[in-house]
Amino acid sequence: EAQVTQNPRYLITVTGKKLTVTCSQNMNHEYMSWYRQDPGLGLRQIYYSMNVEVTDKGDVPEGYKVSRKEKRNFPLILESPSPNQTSLYFCASSWSAGSYEQYFGPGTRLTVT
Amino acid sequence: AQTVTQSQPEMSVQEAETVTLSCTYDTSENNYYLFWYKQPPSRQMILVIRQEAYKQQNATENRFSVNFQKAAKSFSLKISDSQLGDTAMYFCAFRSRGGSQGNLIFGKGTKLSVKP
Repeated sequence: EAQVTQNPRYLITVTGKKLTVTCSQNMNHEYMSWYRQDPGLGLRQIYYSMNVEVTDKGDVPEGYKVSRKEKRNFPLILESPSPNQTSLYFCASSWSAGSYEQYFGPGTRLTVT
Repeated sequence: AQTVTQSQPEMSVQEAETVTLSCTYDTSENNYYLFWYKQPPSRQMILVIRQEAYKQQNATENRFSVNFQKAAKSFSLKISDSQLGDTAMYFCAFRSRGGSQGNLIFGKGTKLSVKP
């Protein structure tokens, strides 16, 4: 089954404690990205990756890092989380940046206290 | 920069009736895609329907159809025979076909409640 998986699905942490949210896809997609969703703001892109070792900032990259060492994985790293990063996070993948179809992961609910 | 606007924060409809959700967008591009996503309480993003800008024919998927007006930059979603399971947030989204960033530009969403 074609899918994008994220872990963990729920996370409560404290300010400053480094965390990683994993994302993996099994469709051999070249393009992957991360979004955050906040009430009243819709979804906004954090980072994206066109292929292995190729990443770039999206619209709201501050406070986040990513890496793309393997094609299937695209982890989101928060080196020093702050309360304003409390949000719902989605990973997504597609064949390319201009593809008709994009697959979303199930979301990760992060709370930073 | 592209923008997507959903002017109806909340809507309600009686079960079995028809409801239309509005979406307008702004872009200078000619090749793009438009989408409607459903987000139920489970928070999963579910693709409802999509439209390629070069296609004049409006997309339909069972009870869901769109009214795509390219010149007016309008992309509304019509839900026929509304069901209780249609209760969800609905997001309109734009994606450039030739863009390098590849991001979906989302509207702020419309919360739809289907009442029995």
